[in-house]
Amino acid sequence: AQSVSQHNHHVILSEAASLELGCNYSYGGTVNLFWYVQYPGQHLQLLLKYFSGDPLVKGIKGFEAEFIKSKFSFNLRKPSVQWSDTAEYFCAVGTNTDKLTFGTGTRLQVFP
Amino acid sequence: DTGVSQNPRHKITKRGQNVTFRCDPISEHNRLYWYRQTLGQGPEFLTYFQNEAQLEKSRLLSDRFSAERPKGSFSTLEIQRTEQGDSAMYLCASSLDYVVAGPSPHEQFFGPGTRLTVL
Repeated sequence: AQSVSQHNHHVILSEAASLELGCNYSYGGTVNLFWYVQYPGQHLQLLLKYFSGDPLVKGIKGFEAEFIKSKFSFNLRKPSVQWSDTAEYFCAVGTNTDKLTFGTGTRLQVFP
Repeated sequence: DTGVSQNPRHKITKRGQNVTFRCDPISEHNRLYWYRQTLGQGPEFLTYFQNEAQLEKSRLLSDRFSAERPKGSFSTLEIQRTEQGDSAMYLCASSLDYVVAGPSPHEQFFGPGTRLTVL
């Protein structure tokens, strides 16, 4: 069975700081990787996804993530965060049935 | 709004009562998923449907839980004899699948969830 680890449970940054959120997964087969975001009071939304091809994927709002197969990692990055990025971020792994396995989430707080 | 909708948004019930939640997926999506999310955790998979067929159920889905998607459109999740441990956010998501949209995996679109509180 697959599992996902998000090491940073709570991250506090000032605006314009750079962000990197860690995500590691365990699964022996081909995986599809996702980052979802949940803004306060809103439902889960897809930030970006990796299925195949270029391991560096770009998502909405300036976010990007890099798939490193040898490290079983899919870390999320943003060079300069904004107050509006305050949200909870979930890494997820999908397999051939598209069933998703989520990490426990990282709560990001950005202060002006 | 053409997104995934869920009703009710909040449900408070007493232990031992039965509850039913409804999910209306995006109209052209033939896959429908149910997840449960508790405080401080990510969503956990419960079950999914392809059209009206329930293809997989998690071990989290005890005998008290049942899900249906009778006509391949909306779905219901029923919990019988609720327990306090059932208190959680129940999320529904929908997506296309390879039969409709090709072999690549497809994004799941989530609804706002139904928050269940069992007293």
